[in-house]
Amino acid sequence: DTEVTQTPKHLVMGMTNKKSLKCEQHMGHRAMYWYKQKAKKPPELMFVYSYEKLSINESVPSRFSPECPNSSLLNLHLHALQPEDSALYLCASSQALAGYYEQYFGPGTRLTVT
Amino acid sequence: EDQVTQSPEALRLQEGESSSLNCSYTVSGLRGLFWYRQDPGKGPEFLFTLYSAGEEKEKERLKATLTKKESFLHITAPKPEDSATYLCALNQAGTALIFGKGTTLSVSS
Repeated sequence: DTEVTQTPKHLVMGMTNKKSLKCEQHMGHRAMYWYKQKAKKPPELMFVYSYEKLSINESVPSRFSPECPNSSLLNLHLHALQPEDSALYLCASSQALAGYYEQYFGPGTRLTVT
Repeated sequence: EDQVTQSPEALRLQEGESSSLNCSYTVSGLRGLFWYRQDPGKGPEFLFTLYSAGEEKEKERLKATLTKKESFLHITAPKPEDSATYLCALNQAGTALIFGKGTTLSVSS
């Protein structure tokens, strides 16, 4: 089973709201990722967790706050977002952080900021 | 600087008309080259990993090949359900995937 699940599928939030995106995998993978994808563009990396520790933060604004409660779960907490943050947010996982392993993506959360 | 360039940006085929998608890359030490398929509004679906020049992998109507500078995704006798955006990616120093901009394939019956 190579399934990564994400909830919710769609999210509409105002600029003053606080919300969270959730991601789960049960493949025993030790690396998990958040990507952001705008229309007709490839995914862009936001954060990487390796063995539940934040490994990479690609200079993402502090209004995005990641959390890895355990090896299977990854959250992305959202606060005071801007309309330009509207995008498809993708979670992915891989066996480990080494470059040889493929990453498996979830279906994404379509976020709209009003 | 590691780079991935895909061509063409868009490709329209008739059902049964075979063709190839190109992914050119420059990287200091290839760890893996990955192909993904992405349908509109969905997450990328993993297709293949290629590790070394000369390697080939197949899945149904798709065949991926790798040289020292390029990878090709050959589509044999495509069907309308093969319509999607195909993404090529490298893994940069064991961290993020560097994606090409993708090739959007449309197959009409």
